Amino acid sequence: AQSVTQLGSHVSVSEGALVLLRCNYSSSVPPYLFWYVQYPNQGLQLLLKYTSAATLVKGINGFEAEFKKSETSFHLTKPSAHMSDAAEYFCAVNPSGTYKYIFGTGTRLKVLA
Amino acid sequence: GAGVSQSPRYKVTKRGQDVTLRCDPISSHATLYWYQQALGQGPEFLTYFNYEAQPDKSGLPSDRFSAERPEGSISTLTIQRTEQRDSAMYRCASSLSYGQETQYFGPGTRLLVL
Repeated sequence: AQSVTQLGSHVSVSEGALVLLRCNYSSSVPPYLFWYVQYPNQGLQLLLKYTSAATLVKGINGFEAEFKKSETSFHLTKPSAHMSDAAEYFCAVNPSGTYKYIFGTGTRLKVLA
Repeated sequence: GAGVSQSPRYKVTKRGQDVTLRCDPISSHATLYWYQQALGQGPEFLTYFNYEAQPDKSGLPSDRFSAERPEGSISTLTIQRTEQRDSAMYRCASSLSYGQETQYFGPGTRLLVL
């Protein structure tokens, strides 16, 4: 069965520090992987996606993620956190050829001044 | 429309009442999805439509839940005889077609059953 694990339900970083949000997945078939961000009172917004092309994926707002098959990971990073990055982040897996997204439980990012 | 819209944004109801939630997808999108998101959890798949067809209802928690998309555009999710455990955020998403295509999410409807 496919699943997604996000380590750390809450992460705090200082403004200007590296952001690292962890996501590990299990999938019996090559997956497509996504990171979504949710700002307060808004819908989920796509940050970036991996669909079996380049393993390093660049997204919006300076975020990027690297697909590592050997580690079954798709961690999200940003070199320098902004206050505006404070939000909840969801990792999702979509086993290729299917329609179901399987979401992780989310990580709430807090950026400290 | 420009994005996925959902209404109402908030709904408070009493246990035992029926509620209907509405989703208006992006106009060119064939596929529409419904998710339920409990507090502190990620969204969980309920059902999806390809145009007006509903190939998979396996995620619906009980027969009190039903969804329609009669003309292949707007969809409704109806919960009959609501229970307190139905309280959650209900999210709608749409995509150009099913599969790996990106899903675009609406703002959600937060349902509170008292």
